[in-house]
Parts: sequence; C-alpha cells; structure tokens
Amino acid sequence: AQKITQTQPGMFVQEKEAVTLDCTYDTSDQSYGLFWYKQPSSGEMIFLIYQGSYDEQNATEGRYSLNFQKARKSANLVISASQLGDSAMYFCAMRENTGFQKLVFGTGTRLLVSP
Amino acid sequence: DSGVTQTPKHLITATGQRVTLRCSPRSGDLSVYWYQQSLDQGLQFLIQYYNGEERAKGNILERFSAQQFPDLHSELNLSSLELGDSALYFCASSVAWLAGGNEQFFGPGTRLTVL
Repeated sequence: AQKITQTQPGMFVQEKEAVTLDCTYDTSDQSYGLFWYKQPSSGEMIFLIYQGSYDEQNATEGRYSLNFQKARKSANLVISASQLGDSAMYFCAMRENTGFQKLVFGTGTRLLVSP
Repeated sequence: DSGVTQTPKHLITATGQRVTLRCSPRSGDLSVYWYQQSLDQGLQFLIQYYNGEERAKGNILERFSAQQFPDLHSELNLSSLELGDSALYFCASSVAWLAGGNEQFFGPGTRLTVL
C-alpha cells in the first residue's frame, strides 16, 4: 500500500533563505507520481509541483524544486528565497499510476517564514 | 483560482441531519474526486467519478454518497451526521481518470461543522 511520511511537523525559516521540506514514500509500483500542495490558512489546496517516477530530471517550478531521490524513495521540496507568503501547511502526496488517480497525502509540514 | 468551484463555503448543522455539498469541476475535466480533511484523519480520499460513473472508492462511510451529473458537476451527500463528520471537504478535478501525469486541481473546500 502507498504511504507518505512527512517527519517535520513544523519548520521555521527566515525570509530570503532556502528551506527543504522532507517527504519519503513507500510503494511497490514502478510507475507513480509525486506532488506537493500548499495549504494557506485560508484553507484552499494549491498545486505546486509534480514529479513522475520516470522523470530523470528534478522538477522545478519557479522558486519550487523537487529533490527526487528514487533509490531513497524521497521527494523533498526545496523553496528558495522564502517569502512571508510562503507561510502555510505543505503536503506531499503520491499517486500510483497503475490504477486510479486517488492521491495519498502525508500529514503535512507547517512552514513559518519570519521577517 | 483553480477553476474548481464548491458550494457552500461553510455549513453548520446539527447531528442527525443531512447535507449536500456541491462541486463544479474545471472546464474540460471529466474526473471529480472528493477528499475529507479532518484533524484526526488528515486528508483522505473518499470517492472518484469519471464522466458520470463511479471509478474508485476510498474511506467513504456508508452514510455518505456521491454522484456526478451529466453536466459533470458532482454532489456529496452526507446523512445522519455525527460530530466526527466535522471537517473540510474538498472536491478536485482532473482531465482523465487513469493516471498519466494529470495533476488534480482542488476547489476551495466546504467547511462542515456538526453541532
């Protein structure tokens, strides 16, 4: 069965610094997708970045990059040049590609960016 | 704005009652997913519909049911409500129903409070 583990309940970072949010996953499938979502205090879930298991290069989207280490089954999110607006909950999620598209989420990491 | 709409935004009701949550997917998306986010269970997949047909079921209680209509909007019906059903209910949509790199876009959620 799929499982996502986010071991950092909370992280602090100063504005303009980079921060890494950890995510490890467990699956027996060879083909899967990994996602990061941001949930601000307003509650909505905002898609940030996607990495496919067969993608050879790490995904990047603006200030977000995904450090994908397949052998270690980790998919860490790196946020560069943190901004105050980055303060939010961050969820890592996985979808196995052999079946339906349901997402399995981790427990989330609360990021607080200080001035 | 993800393009997914959900109504109502907030819902307060009493135990034993029945409520209906509504979701309109992004234009062109045929798949709709429902997720529940609660403090004790985290984010959990409930059910998926594709073009009007149920495709996958997750941890959905028997008191809950859903459907997707010909115009592709979806409704989640929650009956015999209990205090523990208080949660944020998300609808998400994507283009297809089988995996293939299509990310799911989430609506703003409906916050249900059962008193």
